[in-house]
Formats: sequence, structure tokens, C-alpha cells
Amino acid sequence: NAGVTQTPKFQVLKTGQSMTLQCAQDMNHEYMSWYRQDPGMGLRLIHYSVGAGITDQGEVPNGYNVSRSTTEDFPLRLLSAAPSQTSVYFCASNGLAGADEQFFGPGTRLTVL
Amino acid sequence: AQSVAQPEDQVNVAEGNPLTVKCTYSVSGNPYLFWYVQYPNRGLQFLLKYITGDNLVKGSYGFEAEFNKSQTSFHLKKPSALVSDSAVLYFCAVGAGKSTFGDGTTLTVKP
Repeated sequence: NAGVTQTPKFQVLKTGQSMTLQCAQDMNHEYMSWYRQDPGMGLRLIHYSVGAGITDQGEVPNGYNVSRSTTEDFPLRLLSAAPSQTSVYFCASNGLAGADEQFFGPGTRLTVL
Repeated sequence: AQSVAQPEDQVNVAEGNPLTVKCTYSVSGNPYLFWYVQYPNRGLQFLLKYITGDNLVKGSYGFEAEFNKSQTSFHLKKPSALVSDSAVLYFCAVGAGKSTFGDGTTLTVKP
């Protein structure tokens, strides 16, 4: 199993550009989540999904969109990038809600100029 | 709303000594608690979890954690620290899928 994969690993954008961060998992997990990690602030939840076709907002959803058309994929879209979105983004997946540990991808380091 | 606090940004300990990384939480209902470790430029890796049962849970790399319901704490411990345990971030989290993480604690183990 590849686990949780994320692409790209690094990305530089200009303010106002849009892009999609890809996330895929091959463990047939129902739950998938997107977090951003900023220095000294731990991980903050952006959006999450409890299954194909079902998504919900986390703590910091503004400026981001998600969709879940399949169990495996959970892309994160930046609609119009802003410097405040410079961060490291992690995708995670897990099985039964509340009980299973999360499996994390390697992260995408995004810089918005 | 659920929350997690890790009161120490950094913990320093000598090799061979016991270590403790503190975590307190707030959640309604029964807590699902986790510890993760992050190595530089890597994603988080699972160490251990408390769901129910014994208050002392054992995990990877010799780590263990003690759940204390009355103090709403879930401290990470290791009886004898190794230099290889250091230079990483340790995160406490409550819930899964819609998790809330602490801000992380850097561990430094000096030889």
C-alpha cells in the first residue's frame, strides 16, 4: 500500500492564482481531512469528508474548496491564492470516526508571493 | 467545542532519564486521544491512542501515555529517553477525522 499520497511536494504561486492540491489514499478509509500547519500553531482543520459525496468545513475553510467524488481522492482547491495561505498542507485519512488513528501524507509546502 | 493544550513549547531531558510531554484536553463526552510525532519535513506518524480501557496505554518506540479523566490530561511518557527521540515535534490530538491538535512540543534529549 502506498498509504496517503500528496502532490505536488512544493508549489509557488502568485497572489490571485488558483491551484489544486491532490490527495489520494489506497486504504479504503471513509474519513479524509485537510490540515494546514503554520509555525507555532499546530495543525488546523480546513475541510473534511466522511465519505464520497459528503464534505464539511473545519476550523479555517475560507479560501478553500473540496470535493469527494470517490473514496480514494480528496483534492483541495485554492480559489484565489493569498499570502496568508502560505503554509504546509497535510492530507490525512482514517477509518471509523473517532476511534482510528489518522494516516498522514508527506505534505505540500505552498508559498504565495 | 473540543480543545487541546500542550503547555510546553520545548522539553529538555538528559539521555537515560524519564521524559514527560504534557497534554490537557477539553471535550464533551468520552475522549478519543492520540499522540503523533513529526520528523523534519515529514507528515505526522501515529504513536499511541486512548479510546477506552486501561488508563496507561503503550505505543511505538517505547512511548506510553497516561489518561487521567479527573485532570483531563493525557501525558506522553518514556521511562528512559534516547537521543534519537529528540529534534521532533510531538502532537497531542483529540478526535479523529475532525481532530483538534495541540500546538506541538519539541523534545530535546541531551547525551
